Amino acid sequence: DARVTQTPRHKVTEMGQEVTMRCQPILGHNTVFWYRQTMMQGLELLAYFRNRAPLDDSGMPKDRFSAEMPDATLATLKIQPSEPRDSAVYFCASGLLAAARIGTQYFGPGTRLLVL
Amino acid sequence: AQKITQTQPGMFVQEKEAVTLDCTYDTSDQSYGLFWYKQPSSGEMIFLIYQGSYDEQNATEGRYSLNFQKARKSANLVISASQLGDSAMYFCAMREQYEKLTFGTGTRLTIIP
Repeated sequence: DARVTQTPRHKVTEMGQEVTMRCQPILGHNTVFWYRQTMMQGLELLAYFRNRAPLDDSGMPKDRFSAEMPDATLATLKIQPSEPRDSAVYFCASGLLAAARIGTQYFGPGTRLLVL
Repeated sequence: AQKITQTQPGMFVQEKEAVTLDCTYDTSDQSYGLFWYKQPSSGEMIFLIYQGSYDEQNATEGRYSLNFQKARKSANLVISASQLGDSAMYFCAMREQYEKLTFGTGTRLTIIP
């Protein structure tokens, strides 16, 4: 049963610290997405990649957030320095462009981040 | 303007009854996709069902069906014979270009035994 995996599942850190979240997309999927979910803003798209190339990161605060795909099996989202307002659940999702249901995304379990 | 509107913040439904979750959307694209996701209390997002704008028949997946009314721009999710495990947040989403999804604010469904 193929799944998107994310690590860590939970992270508590202090303001100013660097946070790195990792995602392993479903093998064979060529698109990867990073979302943030908060009570106030709901689900927001932060960035997404196709075939490892960044296509859109307009939803991301550029000064502190960065997203990369060093290889096809790993996507990372970094926050440096972290702030309390970054506290949220961060989801990674992957999909396959060639699939009939274009746009269907399969989500990982999320990383619950708390910045104190 | 909201692209995806879910007007029911919360719903309570008796077990075994059918339930309809409302979703309306706004787009000027001819080609788009509509999705429903379920988020149980554990937090994961689970894909339920997909409807393409050119699909003539309503999508069905087991107990889930999507009531697609293109002229009214609505894509309601129907769950037949609800179960206690259906209690969750439900999100409607739309893809307009490439693979970017826009999500609604969600409906919290509670199934009452």
